[in-house]
Amino acid sequence: GENVEQHPSTLSVQEGDSAVIKCTYSDSASNYFPWYKQELGKRPQLIIDIRSNVGEKKDQRIAVTLNKTAKHFSLHITETQPEDSAVYFCAASTGGYQKVTFGTGTKLQVIP
Amino acid sequence: DTAVSQTPKYLVTQMGNDKSIKCEQNLGHDTMYWYKQDSKKFLKIMFSYNNKELIINETVPNRFSPKSPDKAHLNLHINSLELGDSAVYFCASSGRGNQPQHFGDGTRLSIL
Repeated sequence: GENVEQHPSTLSVQEGDSAVIKCTYSDSASNYFPWYKQELGKRPQLIIDIRSNVGEKKDQRIAVTLNKTAKHFSLHITETQPEDSAVYFCAASTGGYQKVTFGTGTKLQVIP
Repeated sequence: DTAVSQTPKYLVTQMGNDKSIKCEQNLGHDTMYWYKQDSKKFLKIMFSYNNKELIINETVPNRFSPKSPDKAHLNLHINSLELGDSAVYFCASSGRGNQPQHFGDGTRLSIL
C-alpha cells in the first residue's frame, strides 16, 4: 500500500520568513496530492491540492510543487503570519474510490 | 450550514460501555469516511463507504462497526470501549474522483 513520509515533524519560523514542508510517497500510481491545515482543536481543512499532470500550483502565499519522478511534493508558505501556526498534513491518493494516505503531520509555529 | 456534521462533539464514558457517533453530510457526496486521530495527531483511516457500500476497512477491531443507512449518513458504533479507544474521531466526505475531503468537527472520545 501507499506510504507517505512527511518532514519535518516540527518547524519554527520567524514571522515574515518562509516555511517549507516536504513529503515523499511510495506508490507511483498516486495522482492527487492535497494539503490540509489543522488548527488547534479544529478539523483539518484543505488549503491547496495538486494533480499529477501539474508540476506547481500557487495560491497567494501558498504554493505546492510536485516531482513525480522523485515521488516527492512540497508545501511552501511565504511571508508567514502567526495565523499560519497549525499542524499541516500532506496526503496522496490514487483516485478511484480514493483511499487517501496522510503524512504524519508538521507542527508549524510562527513566532511574532 | 454545516457541510459535514457529527454528533456528539464530546463523549465521556466508562470502559466496557457501547457508544455511537453519528455523521451526516449535505454536500451530495458519494463517499464518506471515518478517521481516528490519536494524541500524536496521526490521522488514520478506519472505514470508507461509497454509496452505502463498504469499500475500505482498515485493520480495525471488530468492536467498531460502521453503518450507512443512505449515502448522506455514516454512523460509527463502538462496543466494549477500551482505554485505547480514547481519541478524536473525524467523519469526512468527498465527491467522485480526485476531490478534497471535507471533515466534520470531530468527536472527542474519552474513556474513563
